[in-house]
Amino acid sequence: GDSVTQTEGLVTLTKGLPVMLNCTYQTTYSPFLFWYVQHLNEAPKLLLKSSTDNKRTEHQGFYATLHKSSSSFHLQKSSVQLSDSALYFCALSAYDTNAYKVIFGKGTHLHVLP
Amino acid sequence: GGIITQTPKFLIGQEGQKLTLKCQQNFNHDTMYWYRQDSGKGLRLIYYSITENDLQKGDLSEGYDASREKKSSFSLTVTSAQKNEMAVFLCASSPGLGGWGAETLYFGSGTRLTVL
Repeated sequence: GDSVTQTEGLVTLTKGLPVMLNCTYQTTYSPFLFWYVQHLNEAPKLLLKSSTDNKRTEHQGFYATLHKSSSSFHLQKSSVQLSDSALYFCALSAYDTNAYKVIFGKGTHLHVLP
Repeated sequence: GGIITQTPKFLIGQEGQKLTLKCQQNFNHDTMYWYRQDSGKGLRLIYYSITENDLQKGDLSEGYDASREKKSSFSLTVTSAQKNEMAVFLCASSPGLGGWGAETLYFGSGTRLTVL
């Protein structure tokens, strides 16, 4: 069935360093991929999304490229800030009988140190 | 802009109790969702609804009922609360009828459930 895998539960790094959060997916349909961010005690919010193969999508300094050949949609940032500390979810929009449903990965906690 | 309001924010129940969580949205969105968030397990889909009076089961529907009597509201019932259960239930909505696939989900702030 359809699924999303995020391999890291926790990523800790120092401010100013680059980061990559991994996301791979499995689906039999044409994929729509999303990254959502959830700050402490807040609701998840969309960070970026894509359905176009090999095209980089950017928002708020974060970027990701959908690679259908490897079923991946990794999230990257060249220089993390303290305010980037949050829970990041990769999500897949998957077709189910007569509608699309959104499936989330388990999430990756990003902890940025001063 | 719009907002999703979930009530109550905190819910404390007893084992075996039937508990109802409510969600209202003023985006005029067609599709609404209920997710359960547990630490280390991500967001798991319980039920979703693509229009008024429609219900679709997610992967975690067992032990829950849902109701979409109006376009703007979507309620979730825990049919029998499990002892020591703790979780956050998130309601979300998206614009379309679920037929396109690339729509953004807008989330409420959640209901935190504790079962004693």
